Amino acid sequence: DVKVTQSSRYLVKRTGEKVFLECVQDMDHENMFWYRQDPGLGLRLIYFSYDVKMKEKGDIPEGYSVSREKKERFSLILESASTNQTSMYLCASSSGDIPYEQYFGPGTRLTVT
Amino acid sequence: QKEVEQNSGPLSVPEGAIASLNCTYSDRGSQSFFWYRQYSGKSPELIMSIYSNGDKEDGRFTAQLNKASQYVSLLIRDSQPSDSATYLCAFYQAGTALIFGKGTTLSVSS
Repeated sequence: DVKVTQSSRYLVKRTGEKVFLECVQDMDHENMFWYRQDPGLGLRLIYFSYDVKMKEKGDIPEGYSVSREKKERFSLILESASTNQTSMYLCASSSGDIPYEQYFGPGTRLTVT
Repeated sequence: QKEVEQNSGPLSVPEGAIASLNCTYSDRGSQSFFWYRQYSGKSPELIMSIYSNGDKEDGRFTAQLNKASQYVSLLIRDSQPSDSATYLCAFYQAGTALIFGKGTTLSVSS
């Protein structure tokens, strides 16, 4: 079974802090994605990566950056957390052969106070 | 901006009934369409994919695609309380990623 894990299930941070969200997948998938999910707004793509050290902006990249130094790990960085970044963050991965069949991690509920 | 439109619901059906979930999309060039199910507090999971016009059946689930009308639907036969969840419609935009709708909440009462 594909397993996508995220470093924290719940996280509380203060405004202005630098926040790191980690995602690891164990299926040797080429593609990895970061979404945020908010009530009434659905899933919105922040960044994605098709290969190591490669990244592409999604629909809402502002205020975020990413890092992919190893194939299995994709990190989301909030450079200076703000209250409007309080959200559920979901990581996903997929293979290069079937890029649309995405497997999601359990999510990190981030609260910025 | 390419979009997916879904009725947010909630859609309420009695146990054993057919639940019909609908979705329209804006990108005429889309070739691949998907239904994800998301239980409350959980992450989405893929339940159906469809690539050509017509129907695709998998157990109690049937996906229907009409590319001319840019319309995708999901039928759930013999609905069970365990089907209560939010259903996300998505299409794949080559070279980028999945474009998700906001989801339809289904409630199946016993």
